[in-house]
Amino acid sequence: DTGVSQNPRHKITKRGQNVTFRCDPISEHNRLYWYRQTLGQGPEFLTYFQNEAQLEKSRLLSDRFSAERPKGSFSTLEIQRTEQGDSAMYLCASLPGTTNREQYFGPGTRLTVT
Amino acid sequence: DAKTTQPTSMDCAEGRAANLPCNHSTISGNEYVYWYRQIHSQGPQYIIHGLKNNETNEMASLIITEDRKSSTLILPHATLRDTAVYYCIVYGGGFKTIFGAGTRLFVKA
Repeated sequence: DTGVSQNPRHKITKRGQNVTFRCDPISEHNRLYWYRQTLGQGPEFLTYFQNEAQLEKSRLLSDRFSAERPKGSFSTLEIQRTEQGDSAMYLCASLPGTTNREQYFGPGTRLTVT
Repeated sequence: DAKTTQPTSMDCAEGRAANLPCNHSTISGNEYVYWYRQIHSQGPQYIIHGLKNNETNEMASLIITEDRKSSTLILPHATLRDTAVYYCIVYGGGFKTIFGAGTRLFVKA
């Protein structure tokens, strides 16, 4: 257990529904990443926060995806109008400071879109 | 950030050293090499990182060639619990982290 928690751990939803995932990073970590991982592939970068500011967002991320970190603590990732291709593991990672690159990953949320 | 190339899979006998190679021929001077591993159904776990010098911690050793174009992660006495996907990542000043498909290490009894 790294101290990063994600909820829910599993989510099954029907195509077209909206879903929201939550990540609670380690409390003193000011930086946070979201990734998506499909079977047999490494994690794919989605977005990055430093405190509450979203500093980078993947160009692969469609308009249906949005992430927030309103008070620089927990973060949410919302997917609107889910599609079957959104089925994946969604991972969150947090880091301390400004230069350290050692990421602490949560257990992930597995999304299945039926 | 530089791209990395790793073998798709490797086998290792339990108790023997596992040597996992990574090629990063386009690495630039300020880019670090990081290694993570991912055990099935868990998030990735940080192992070790380095810039130029060889590094060792309680989990592994990292050997970086003098020209920095490749590196090797060494698990000195592999156990069955070391069966996982191992990712080699290179990054410098940007925020984006690029994971490849990694190397699937199978440790066999």
